[in-house]
Amino acid sequence: AQSVTQPDIHITVSEGASLELRCNYSYGATPYLFWYVQSPGQGLQLLLKYFSGDTLVQGIKGFEAEFKRSQSSFNLRKPSVHWSDAAEYFCAVASGYSTLTFGKGTMLLVSP
Amino acid sequence: DTEVTQTPKHLVMGMTNKKSLKCEQHMGHRAMYWYKQKAKKPPELMFVYSYEKLSINESVPSRFSPECPNSSLLNLHLHALQPEDSALYLCASSQSAGDYEQYFGPGTRLTVT
Repeated sequence: AQSVTQPDIHITVSEGASLELRCNYSYGATPYLFWYVQSPGQGLQLLLKYFSGDTLVQGIKGFEAEFKRSQSSFNLRKPSVHWSDAAEYFCAVASGYSTLTFGKGTMLLVSP
Repeated sequence: DTEVTQTPKHLVMGMTNKKSLKCEQHMGHRAMYWYKQKAKKPPELMFVYSYEKLSINESVPSRFSPECPNSSLLNLHLHALQPEDSALYLCASSQSAGDYEQYFGPGTRLTVT
């Protein structure tokens, strides 16, 4: 069965510093991968997605992610974090007809 | 318009009440979804509608009853809920059921007393 692991429950980053959130997946074929962001009490917003092609994917809000098949990873990065980036981040893999399997999420805290 | 709207934002209901959650999208999407999200957990899929027909029911208790009156609207009827059903209920839509790029609404925060 497909699964997604986000090993970090919380991460604290200073404002202006770079960010990398980790995501590892388990899937037999080429996965469809996603990163979503959720602000407190809000719905999920799609940051970026990977289906095929270029393994470095650009998303909204200055985020990017790199698909590495050899490491079964799809890590999310941002060169300079802003206070407004504080939120929960979910990695997800398409796991069947109409189904997304989400990781447990990583809470990003941004310190001044 | 790339927005999915949900009403109400908050709902408090007793265990004997009947209430409904509403979701609407005007993106021409033909697949719509209900998710349940408990605090500090990822969303869990409940139902999928494709072309206004229920295509997936993830073994959800019958006290939750979905309805898709037309391609833009999705309802979730609630009856005889339990306190453990308190959660954020998220609606999402996508172009079709095979399109994994889902757009989420802001959710309804449900509290069952």
